[in-house]
Amino acid sequence: DVVMTQSPLSLPVTLGQPASISCRSSQSLVHSDGNTYLNWFQQRPGQSPRRLIYKISNRGSGVPDRFSGSGSGTDFTLKISRVEAEDVGVYYCMQATHWPRAFGQGTKVEIK
Amino acid sequence: EVQLVESGGGLVQPGGSLRLSCGASGFSFRSFWTTWVRQAPGRGLELVSIINQDGSEKYYVDSVKGRFTISRDNAKNSLYLQMNSLRAEDTAVYYCARDNWGPEYWGPGTLVTVSS
Repeated sequence: DVVMTQSPLSLPVTLGQPASISCRSSQSLVHSDGNTYLNWFQQRPGQSPRRLIYKISNRGSGVPDRFSGSGSGTDFTLKISRVEAEDVGVYYCMQATHWPRAFGQGTKVEIK
Repeated sequence: EVQLVESGGGLVQPGGSLRLSCGASGFSFRSFWTTWVRQAPGRGLELVSIINQDGSEKYYVDSVKGRFTISRDNAKNSLYLQMNSLRAEDTAVYYCARDNWGPEYWGPGTLVTVSS
């Protein structure tokens, strides 16, 4: 099974400053169709998760452009260009290339 | 507006059964894979099961194989999860989600508690 490893697991950030979360997979996430099905989710306190990014770098509907995704193969990154108070929560990467799909452990973003 | 609403959660004893339902609206339900994702209290996310558009393909995570059954009724725009032989470790909030190479839209979730 594919294992997704995120770092850091806790990320204190200053408002207005950038933030970056890393996600590594135990095997390549390139699908036989040529796509890489790597997603990023945000879960605010007390809410359901929300998909931010799909296929490495595509923003979901209504997602602010301060969120961006990058990477390839086994190494991926979610960046927030300028953290806002509403960005507090837990962020998960998830691969949808292989079954069983797998989420990372989650990275808790909080304001310093 | 895409909406998914889960129901059927509650308190059940170990070894018992429960059937979760998820009602969908605001999109063509029959056109999408749909999935169940769970989250144990204070823990991360785990995709439990997924089903394709016509119900002919179903996948389960190893920990629920043989105990859980996913199904759907496209005429009723509904997704189901039949959970048998429940264990304490199945205690979680269960979310249904429309899938598009990853859970794209999520419901608010329903809490399942397995305890004596």
